Amino acid sequence: GAVVSQHPSRVICKSGTSVKIECRSLDFQATTMFWYRQFPKQSLMLMATSNEGSKATYEQGVEKDKFLINHASLTLSTLTVTSAHPEDSSFYICSARQSVGGHYNSPLHFGNGTRLTVT
Amino acid sequence: QQQVKQSPQSLIVQKGGISIINCAYENTAFDYFPWYQQFPGKGPALLIAIRPDVSEKKEGRFTISFNKSAKQFSLHIMDSQPGDSATYFCAASKGGGGYNKLIFGAGTRLAVHP
Repeated sequence: GAVVSQHPSRVICKSGTSVKIECRSLDFQATTMFWYRQFPKQSLMLMATSNEGSKATYEQGVEKDKFLINHASLTLSTLTVTSAHPEDSSFYICSARQSVGGHYNSPLHFGNGTRLTVT
Repeated sequence: QQQVKQSPQSLIVQKGGISIINCAYENTAFDYFPWYQQFPGKGPALLIAIRPDVSEKKEGRFTISFNKSAKQFSLHIMDSQPGDSATYFCAASKGGGGYNKLIFGAGTRLAVHP
């Protein structure tokens, strides 16, 4: 089955530093990946849609200069949290949909998330 | 604006019982309705999904019932087991082509007691 790998699974960083999270589709190509944020006991909130070879599309209220997204290849998207602060502490989850031409609503596969703690 | 409303927030069921989680949506353009299961510290995993051209879909112990006119859909877990204890999210998306984004409900924390 389609596997999405996310790394690291946990990261602790000091306030003011930047953190990069990687999301890879291991056995399929994904022209589109999605980045979600989840606070404890809450739902997943879409942050941005990452498109291979082009700029990401950010949801309303998400700072694009704060959360840098790069989708350099069909199997890798990265999220960089710049100048992290304690309020950025959260569970970040990426997802990817297999790119099958004309495939109607193919399943979205999720990574196992990254727990970011900013001290 | 909450586009997908999910209830209940939490649910306790005895082993062997039926767990029922409900969702309602507002946007009639939504045409894909998946359910995801999430264990603590893990990403969501797709359980089952339905499209609006059918009223019910069953996979093993999991059944989705879909009411297009009422804009509601529900997840039924038959013969609930302690291993089913997790958070369940309904979701919805619109359009095809693989670029559409999923909108999630608030989640339901299910506890199945032995």
